[in-house]
Amino acid sequence: EVQLVESGGGLVQPGRSLRLSCAASGFTFDDYAMHWVRQAPGKGLEWVSGISWNSGSIGYADSVKGRFTISRDNAKNSLYLQMNSLRAEDTALYYCAKDLGIAVAGTYGYWGQGTLVTVSS
Amino acid sequence: DIQMTQSPSSLSASVGDRVTITCQASQDISNYLNWYQQKPGKAPKLLIYDASNLETGVPSRFSGSGSGTDFTFTISSLQPEDIATYYCQQYDNLPSTFGPGTKVDIK
Repeated sequence: EVQLVESGGGLVQPGRSLRLSCAASGFTFDDYAMHWVRQAPGKGLEWVSGISWNSGSIGYADSVKGRFTISRDNAKNSLYLQMNSLRAEDTALYYCAKDLGIAVAGTYGYWGQGTLVTVSS
Repeated sequence: DIQMTQSPSSLSASVGDRVTITCQASQDISNYLNWYQQKPGKAPKLLIYDASNLETGVPSRFSGSGSGTDFTFTISSLQPEDIATYYCQQYDNLPSTFGPGTKVDIK
């Protein structure tokens, strides 16, 4: 059974940093691209970042480019999102999502339950 | 960025009704279009990929069609468990973008 378990969320002050993690199990992690997708409270879905199976291709939404860094450790079956210079508008539930394939631009076939990031003073 | 629009933004229908949601892309995206269902308090779930392919395990009352800029998502016979918000998503170009969602309710 595919499992994606996010962690690392919490309350953080504007301008500070946070690192999210996603532990994957139940599938061959390095066969798939992975993504972070977020949802602000009461709002729709926004793709944040994606990384190909071998980290060779990475993409970011314009809203986070230069502030967030996605990475993965295939030996640990884990996905990460380093979030720096956080803003109030980054407040959201952050989902880890597994692609159907290896490419960054793709289809989110399975989602974790999310970790909540609240940016507030 | 490619903009995605959906209509209606919400709808209320009776059990057994046929429900149709449309999604329009701001430019040609071929068939790089997916549909997701999000129930309240839950993570989204993939229903349809590549515009018309039913994800494994998804009931056959769900279907999708279209290509280019205009797409349609249909529930052939609405069930109580289909209460959710439905999103389209394009992945022709980065950044991948979602429609604003359509909230489906039971009348």
